Amino acid sequence: EPEVTQTPSHQVTQMGQEVILRCVPISNHLYFYWYRQILGQKVEFLVSFYNNEISEKSEIFDDQFSVERPDGSNFTLKIRSTKLEDSAMYFCASSPERGLNQPQHFGDGTRLSIL
Amino acid sequence: AQTVTQSQPEMSVQEAETVTLSCTYDTSESDYYLFWYKQPPSRQMILVIRQEAYKQQNATENRFSVNFQKAAKSFSLKISDSQLGDAAMYFCACHLGAQKLVFGQGTRLTINP
Repeated sequence: EPEVTQTPSHQVTQMGQEVILRCVPISNHLYFYWYRQILGQKVEFLVSFYNNEISEKSEIFDDQFSVERPDGSNFTLKIRSTKLEDSAMYFCASSPERGLNQPQHFGDGTRLSIL
Repeated sequence: AQTVTQSQPEMSVQEAETVTLSCTYDTSESDYYLFWYKQPPSRQMILVIRQEAYKQQNATENRFSVNFQKAAKSFSLKISDSQLGDAAMYFCACHLGAQKLVFGQGTRLTINP
């Protein structure tokens, strides 16, 4: 069964540095998402992406964050000037279509640790 | 505000027994979907079951079923004949508005052999 894949599984970065988290969504999916889960807290929506542009974003997704689909397969989340509080598990998800009944398929996540 | 609440941080059950995980939500949307996701130690979140808000019939997937009470905004997950492989974090989620999922805090389920 096709899967969403994320790399790396664990990223350690110095505070203030930029980090890029990578995702390869399921190949025929059209909608892409990033979520964040701070340790011990709930999973939070960051951003959704369709047709090469952001379709919805949360309050968390400020100017520090950006997303890109640089080619036909990758979907990246860039975090500039990382802060300690950016340490979290970041999940990528994709769905085939827009619609409430379309389940989102999640990757394994990238654990981001900011030192 | 649209919120999803799971009031049980941890639950445990004996293997082969039945367990129910609770979830309540709050939304002003008229149409929405509700999901239960399972997150085993391998970390990937896996869809367990989904329920459309306008359908009164409770969804069932093999050993997993839901008790959907729309008026009470309650969406509990029942796992029958619990197996060791069911041990995981379980997240209730509501699909609202455009595309985003709103998650509950999660319930860690332990299966005792």
